[in-house]
Amino acid sequence: DGGITQSPKYLFRKEGQNVTLSCEQNLNHDAMYWYRQDPGQGLRLIYYSQIVNDFQKGDIAEGYSVSREKKESFPLTVTSAQKNPTAFYLCASSIGRGGLEQYFGPGTRLTVT
Amino acid sequence: QKEVEQNSGPLSVPEGAIASLNCTYSDRGSQSFFWYRQYSGKSPELIMFIYSNGDKEDGRFTAQLNKASQYVSLLIRDSQPSDSATYLCAVKSFVGGTYKYIFGTGTRLKVLA
Repeated sequence: DGGITQSPKYLFRKEGQNVTLSCEQNLNHDAMYWYRQDPGQGLRLIYYSQIVNDFQKGDIAEGYSVSREKKESFPLTVTSAQKNPTAFYLCASSIGRGGLEQYFGPGTRLTVT
Repeated sequence: QKEVEQNSGPLSVPEGAIASLNCTYSDRGSQSFFWYRQYSGKSPELIMFIYSNGDKEDGRFTAQLNKASQYVSLLIRDSQPSDSATYLCAVKSFVGGTYKYIFGTGTRLKVLA
């Protein structure tokens, strides 16, 4: 069964703690993306990666970090430097560097108190 | 700043009617256009994409693109209560030397039984 998986579905953390969100895909897609969605707002791009071992900052990268050591995996770390980390985090992937359709994983809802 | 604009709604239509969702975009060079459906608490699901001017039909869904007017729309025929969701318009644009997907904030559709 091909697709994008994200884990966990819900995550609760105390302020000041780093947390890593998992994203795995078995679609053989080259490009992967992390977005953040807040109520009433559009999706905002955090980081993206076009190929293994390369990634670029998106529009709101401050307080986040990523790695792309394998084609299938693109984990996102939310650090304590991120001022408002509570949000719905969405991982997506697309074929190729200029890939067309973008597909989303089920998302991780992070709550930081 | 490349932008994608949508009316936030809610757009209410009776069951069986045609729902018309609209989206405008600012980047005249955009080539690819996407419609996603997002149920409350879930991730976006790709339902239609269109690259050429004109209409593209898929079952009850029709995407319409007018590049001269920088306008893309989604028609849902024979609307069902299960179509009630937020519909996100996305545009793929060349920004800062790479392709990025720019999302609108979505239109909430309510289909009344």
